[in-house]
Formats: sequence, C-alpha cells, structure tokens
Amino acid sequence: AQSVTQLGSHVSVSEGALVLLRCNYSSSVPPYLFWYVQYPNQGLQLLLKYTSAATLVKGINGFEAEFKKSETSFHLTKPSAHMSDAAEYFCAVLLSGGYQKVTFGTGTKLQVIP
Amino acid sequence: DADVTQTPRNRITKTGKRIMLECSQTKGHDRMYWYRQDPGLGLRLIYYSFDVKDINKGEISDGYSVSRQAQAKFSLSLESAIPNQTALYFCATSVGDTQYFGPGTRLTVL
Repeated sequence: AQSVTQLGSHVSVSEGALVLLRCNYSSSVPPYLFWYVQYPNQGLQLLLKYTSAATLVKGINGFEAEFKKSETSFHLTKPSAHMSDAAEYFCAVLLSGGYQKVTFGTGTKLQVIP
Repeated sequence: DADVTQTPRNRITKTGKRIMLECSQTKGHDRMYWYRQDPGLGLRLIYYSFDVKDINKGEISDGYSVSRQAQAKFSLSLESAIPNQTALYFCATSVGDTQYFGPGTRLTVL
C-alpha cells in the first residue's frame, strides 16, 4: 500500500522567510511523488513532480522539493515566501507503473504574514 | 475556456434527495476521477474510470454511483443524499502521471 503523511496541517511564515512543508511517504516500490497547490476557491494544480530522474525537482513559482529515499521524504521548500503563496498544499504519491491511482496527503495550509 | 468543468459549482439539497454532479473535459483524456475533499482529510477517491467501459470503485464509494456517458463526460450521483456527504467534490482527468482538476462543486446536504 502507498501513503503520504504531511506534518502540520497549518504553517505560518513571514513574507520573505523560508517555506518548508513536510511530506513523508510509504511505498513498497519506487514511487512517483507530487506536490499540488490549491488556491482559494479553485481546484488543485500541479506544482512539481518526482518521477525517478533528478532527486531535486524544481517547480513553478520558485518552489522545489528533494526526494530523499533514505528518509522517505519529499519536503517542499521555497527560499522566500510571497503573499501569493498562501494556499493549501497537498503531497501525493503514485506507484510507478501503477494504474494512476494517486493517494493524497491531508494537506497543509500555508499562511503568509506580511 | 476551462479544460475540466463541473456543474453545478454550488448546491444545497435536503436529506434523501437524489443529486447528480456533472463533469466535462475537453482535454481528450481517457482517465477520469471523482474525489471528495473534507477539511483535515485531504482528497479521497470515490470512483475512477480508465475509459468509457471501465468503471472502478475508489476508497469511499458507498452511497455514490457514477456514469461515464462519453469520453468527455463523467457524472457522479448521490442516490439518497445524507448530511455527511456534505463536502467539496472534484472531478479530475489524467494522462501520463499528472492529474488535472476541475474547479470543484460545493455540496451541502441539510
């Protein structure tokens, strides 16, 4: 079975500060990992994904994530938070070679304080 | 125009009523999904369809049914709505490993 755990349902950072959103996964086979973002009153959209190529993945809006197999982690970071980053972020896992059934984490709401 | 559309965007109904949520896509994707989102629970898969003739239950299919009328259309029905089905419902499509979501339908069952 596959699963992801997001630590912290709410995270607050000051504008300009580092953003760190944590995600740990559980998978019996090499996974594909994703971060999706949901802005208020919108659907989810893909932020970035890891599909077994480079372990450091860069996404849109200055976000990046690093796949660490030894730690079973895929944390999302951004060096400097912007007010427009306020949203809910979901980590997700897909078993490579599977039937595209994605398992989502419970989400982390990011608040950016001016 | 949006690639994945959902109607209605908001719906308030009463316990016991039959409700249909509709999803249409112009992306040409074979694979479509229905999720519900509840605060603190993330997204949970209700049903998924890999082509018009293929329908599969997800992790929380009880109380729901679906119909794949065409490649572009995938409807979710609540035969007899109950209050704990109050949630935000998302339709999604996929190709490759990426999912594309509609804007969601906020359903309230009184």
